[in-house]
Amino acid sequence: AQTVTQSQPEMSVQEAETVTLSCTYDTSESDYYLFWYKQPPSRQMILVIRQEAYKQQNATENRFSVNFQKAAKSFSLKISDSQLGDAAMYFCAYRAIQGAQKLVFGQGTRLTINP
Amino acid sequence: NAGVTQTPKFRILKIGQSMTLQCTQDMNHNYMYWYRQDPGMGLKLIYYSVGAGITDKGEVPNGYNVSRSTTEDFPLRLELAAPSQTSVYFCATSDFQGTGVENEQFFGPGTRLTVL
Repeated sequence: AQTVTQSQPEMSVQEAETVTLSCTYDTSESDYYLFWYKQPPSRQMILVIRQEAYKQQNATENRFSVNFQKAAKSFSLKISDSQLGDAAMYFCAYRAIQGAQKLVFGQGTRLTINP
Repeated sequence: NAGVTQTPKFRILKIGQSMTLQCTQDMNHNYMYWYRQDPGMGLKLIYYSVGAGITDKGEVPNGYNVSRSTTEDFPLRLELAAPSQTSVYFCATSDFQGTGVENEQFFGPGTRLTVL
């Protein structure tokens, strides 16, 4: 079974600085998808960024980018120019190519932005 | 277009009571899911459905039941509530268009359930 591990329960960063959240995963599959979700205090799950494992190029969405290291099974999220609105829980998630598109989530990292 | 709606938003149950968490979507998506999120933890899959009349167990199905009689609705039933079922429950949907990463899962707002 696939597993996703986020080893940083909490992180904090100064406003306008850059922060990196870590995620590792375990799978025997060669192709799959990886995601980062944001969960603000409202509890709503918001998709931040997604990566296809067969693509070597790291995904980027505005201030959010990933560092995808397939051999190391690592998928970190970098947030540049941190804003107060970035404060939230962040979850890394894995999805197999085949099957019912089920997501496997990590435990989450709580990100605090210091003004 | 409401997306994914869940009712109720909050509920307190006594041990042994039963209840149904409702989930409705108006996006005509084939796939629907129920996840639970325990305090300070990530989401875990309880049950999922790939279409009306088809359901299957996820990672943590014990103590729950589901049915899918229509595309729109996917209720989650707790028969004998236990304190271990205190959690936030999320319903999600996704469309089947091949297996591409663009098949994003859309989440409902969640139901916070407390069992005392």
